[in-house]
Amino acid sequence: DTGVSQDPRHKITKRGQNVTFRCDPISEHNRLYWYRQTLGQGPEFLTYFQNEAQLEKSRLLSDRFSAERPKGSFSTLEIQRTEQGDSAMYLCASSDMGGYTFGSGTRLTVV
Amino acid sequence: AQKITQTQPGMFVQEKEAVTLDCTYDTSDPSYGLFWYKQPSSGEMIFLIYQGSYDQQNATEGRYSLNFQKARKSANLVISASQLGDSAMYFCAMREPDYKLSFGAGTTVTVRA
Repeated sequence: DTGVSQDPRHKITKRGQNVTFRCDPISEHNRLYWYRQTLGQGPEFLTYFQNEAQLEKSRLLSDRFSAERPKGSFSTLEIQRTEQGDSAMYLCASSDMGGYTFGSGTRLTVV
Repeated sequence: AQKITQTQPGMFVQEKEAVTLDCTYDTSDPSYGLFWYKQPSSGEMIFLIYQGSYDQQNATEGRYSLNFQKARKSANLVISASQLGDSAMYFCAMREPDYKLSFGAGTTVTVRA
């Protein structure tokens, strides 16, 4: 297992389009987190899963955002009707009882 | 309310010198964990060092050490013998009881030759 994988690395989309990102965590990690990071800022928590259960969603996660983790393995984050304010780096992390391992992120640009 | 505060937006350090990055945190829970991450321009978040709230000694990992002052709620990162490759954004983060990580705004470190 080589770490947390995120796909795609970069995504450019037109305003109003839907986008979906994928995160493959470390296989033995039961917790999976999504964060959003805008330029020059720290990551902001969006949501997290323990196995397949979504335990918490941030107020930052509007109705246009949805995340899933079917079967407690990979996770997807979908943004519907993208807006320019959605442009950011979307980071995924997984953890067990110890540390957190982050993926390289998906950089979204909404034009 | 801000849980992690990093007051230094940017710092310059001469190669081979030490630099201290400040971090203060806010929690009422007795059990928590503090992390420092490095984020180069490529974007990945690289784990550097961890300090648990019950740890008696300050954490060290190679050139990184954490100056943990529990009563003052501070967890400053010290990077010794700075290298050009240390130029990056550095984030302090706190693990909350529900296992979420809360991050500070970060400090940009630029190492000068």
